Amino acid sequence: EVYLLESGGGLVQPGGSLRLSCEDSSVTFSVNTMSWVRQAPGKGLEWVSGITDGGGGTYYADSVKGRFTISRDNSKSTLYLQLNSLRAEDTAVYYCAKGASKNGYKSWGQGTLVTVSS
Amino acid sequence: DIQMTQSPSSLSASVGDRVTITCRASQSISSYLNWYQQKPGKAPELLIYTASTLQSGVPSRFSGRGSGTDFTLTISSLQPEDSATYYCQQSQKIPITFGQGTRLEIK
Repeated sequence: EVYLLESGGGLVQPGGSLRLSCEDSSVTFSVNTMSWVRQAPGKGLEWVSGITDGGGGTYYADSVKGRFTISRDNSKSTLYLQLNSLRAEDTAVYYCAKGASKNGYKSWGQGTLVTVSS
Repeated sequence: DIQMTQSPSSLSASVGDRVTITCRASQSISSYLNWYQQKPGKAPELLIYTASTLQSGVPSRFSGRGSGTDFTLTISSLQPEDSATYYCQQSQKIPITFGQGTRLEIK
């Protein structure tokens, strides 16, 4: 069974930084597009960023462009999201999701909570 | 950006009822429409992809239809475990966008 495990969330002050990780325990990480989706408390789902299987293509929502950076290490089956210049409105549970968006995100992690507050 | 609008925002139905949720895109997205179910405190789960393909392991009472701008998710005979929030998602164009969600309550 596919298993994605996020880590790295926590409380950070406005303007601060965090690095989220998502480790995939399956053998298919390196051949899959990966994405980050977030959900603010009590709100709906918001796509944040995506990266192609080889890492050559990266995509961002306008709300995070220039502040967040997605990357991956296929040798470690791990996806990353570097969050810089954090704002209160970035407070959310961040999920990693596996699969090409055109066929739906077939696997999701359990989520990691990022709280931006002074 | 492509805007996704779901209706209704919430509904209440009884076990055994047939329930339909609608999702409308602000422009044509062909069949690049996915449906997810999310229960409180849990990650979303994929139900339907490319508008009408049932994800492996999803009960056959769930079905999806549509193309272009108008789509539906139907639950043919509502079960207690179907109480959840349902989201549509377009995957035609970056940025990927989701509907605002439909909260389904069992009476």
